[in-house]
Amino acid sequence: AQSVTQLDSHVSVSEGTPVLLRCNYSSSYSPSLFWYVQHPNKGLQLLLKYTSAATLVKGINGFEAEFKKSETSFHLTKPSAHMSDAAEYFCAVRFMNRDDKIIFGKGTRLHILP
Amino acid sequence: SQTIHQWPATLVQPVGSPLSLECTVEGTSNPNLYWYRQAAGRGLQLLFYSVGIGQISSEVPQNLSASRPQDRQFILSSKKLLLSDSGFYLCAWSVWPSEAFFGQGTRLTVV
Repeated sequence: AQSVTQLDSHVSVSEGTPVLLRCNYSSSYSPSLFWYVQHPNKGLQLLLKYTSAATLVKGINGFEAEFKKSETSFHLTKPSAHMSDAAEYFCAVRFMNRDDKIIFGKGTRLHILP
Repeated sequence: SQTIHQWPATLVQPVGSPLSLECTVEGTSNPNLYWYRQAAGRGLQLLFYSVGIGQISSEVPQNLSASRPQDRQFILSSKKLLLSDSGFYLCAWSVWPSEAFFGQGTRLTVV
């Protein structure tokens, strides 16, 4: 069965320290992978995406993610957290099969401590 | 450029009443269309998706149904709403292998 798991529902980091948000998927098909961010009372904004090109993907606002097929992971990182990064982050996976559905994880709430 | 329209933005409906939420896409042909429900702590739950006119796949057995009468129109319906149908509903479109593009959402409150 196809699934996506965000391992942490909440992550807290201090401003200026690195951010790591974890995402794993399960599928026998080649995936496209995405990270979205949602600020309070706002819509979903695409941070970055992997669609079978370079495995290290750079996105907006200093975020990047690395696709690791052997680990079925697509973790999101940022070297130095900023207060404005406080938001909810969603990992999404799209599988290249006849169904072609896009599945989202349950989200990770990122808290930035001053 | 492509745009997606979803309406209404908010809706308050009594239990047992019918529901119809509509979503239309402009600027693209034969998109995949999706209905999601967002609830706190549960992320975006995929409810229905469609890869073409009249082709609907249901992900979660429930009180809702979906239809795609035209290439760029996707409708979410219910004959009788339940309290548990309250939530934030999002329509999205996509073409392989790109990301999903979302409408502004509908906040449904069933009272």
